[in-house]
Amino acid sequence: DTEVTQTPKHLVMGMTNKKSLKCEQHMGHRAMYWYKQKAKKPPELMFVYSYEKLSINESVPSRFSPECPNSSLLNLHLHALQPEDSALYLCASSLGSLETQYFGPGTRLLVL
Amino acid sequence: AQSVAQPEDQVNVAEGNPLTVKCTYSVSGNPYLFWYVQYPNRGLQFLLKYITGDNLVKGSYGFEAEFNKSQTSFHLKKPSALVSDSALYFCAVRELNQAGTALIFGKGTTLSVSS
Repeated sequence: DTEVTQTPKHLVMGMTNKKSLKCEQHMGHRAMYWYKQKAKKPPELMFVYSYEKLSINESVPSRFSPECPNSSLLNLHLHALQPEDSALYLCASSLGSLETQYFGPGTRLLVL
Repeated sequence: AQSVAQPEDQVNVAEGNPLTVKCTYSVSGNPYLFWYVQYPNRGLQFLLKYITGDNLVKGSYGFEAEFNKSQTSFHLKKPSALVSDSALYFCAVRELNQAGTALIFGKGTTLSVSS
């Protein structure tokens, strides 16, 4: 089973709101990732967690705050976002940081 | 830095014909190459990867890819296209640095299969 789940599927938020995206996998993977994807563009890496420790932060603005409460769960906390942050947010996981990444279906975010 | 290039924005083929989606790479050291497919409003699905070994890699849904070191290419192929293969295809290379591992994606190629 190579399933990564993400909730919610869609999210609309105002620029003053606080919301969270959730990602979950039960494959025993120890690396988890957040990507941002604009329409018709490739995914861009935001964060990497390896063994529940943040190992890569690709200079993402502080209005995005990742959290990895345990090895199965990854959150992305959102606060004071801008309209240009509207995108598809993809979560992925891999057995180890060198293994194949498997992606969830994404959360489509619209910031008004 | 590692990179991949997908020279075609769009590839059009008729159902039943063979298809090729092109990818070239630029890496230092041994390349670790991947193909993913994305259907509309969906996440990315893993198709296949090349790490080492045979230059012809077989993957999901009848897809295969040919690794060519001299031409630095990793083209995706399928002998007989289906309408349901219409989607956005991404080639990617794994980049490893002190901080960890990242996938670097090409810009993507839209495949359109007509009936």
